[in-house]
Amino acid sequence: EVQVVESGGALVQPGGSLRLSCVVSGVNITTYWMNWVRQAPGKGPEWVANIKQDGSETYYVDSVKGRFTISRDNAKNSLFLQMNSLRAEDTAVYYCASRPGWGQGTLVTVS
Amino acid sequence: QSVLTQPPSVSAAPGQKITISCSGRSSNIEKNYVAWYQQVPGTAPKILINDNDKRPSGIPDRFSASKSGASATLGIAGLQTGDEADYYCGAWDSSLNTYVFGPGTTVTVL
Repeated sequence: EVQVVESGGALVQPGGSLRLSCVVSGVNITTYWMNWVRQAPGKGPEWVANIKQDGSETYYVDSVKGRFTISRDNAKNSLFLQMNSLRAEDTAVYYCASRPGWGQGTLVTVS
Repeated sequence: QSVLTQPPSVSAAPGQKITISCSGRSSNIEKNYVAWYQQVPGTAPKILINDNDKRPSGIPDRFSASKSGASATLGIAGLQTGDEADYYCGAWDSSLNTYVFGPGTTVTVL
């Protein structure tokens, strides 16, 4: 069974930084593109970023370009999201998402 | 405004079949795989369908999906109260180089 566990969410002031982590078990993530998806309160999901299997390609939604960096450590079956210059509109539950499944999310509040 | 279009809501009685449409463009649905997600209020989204019409293990065969051109459809047969949720379609957009979600469809079992 695939398990996806995110961590690192917190309350942070505008302009601050956070690093989200995601650990996947039950499947080898080297096979998959990995994504971060966020969902603001009362809104639908919004894709944030993704990274190719070997880390050679990354893509971001325009609103986070230059502020967020996605990375992965395949040896540790892990995914990361470094978030800098955080804004109030970044407040959301952040999900680690891939073809095998999604995690339960970690809450980031910028206030 | 979403790149993908879904009806805001669909409702039906238990046991009936419903369909949810998802309309897009040549750069997303027509060109790339479509996925469908179910989100029960207060929980994380769950993948119902991958690759246009493939159910991951554990997803009942009451859930089906298809794609034609720049449109996709999710079907739910034998509707159950536990199917009350928000349903989202999603696809990679090759012009935007982003993954796009539909606005979601709320399913109500009458």
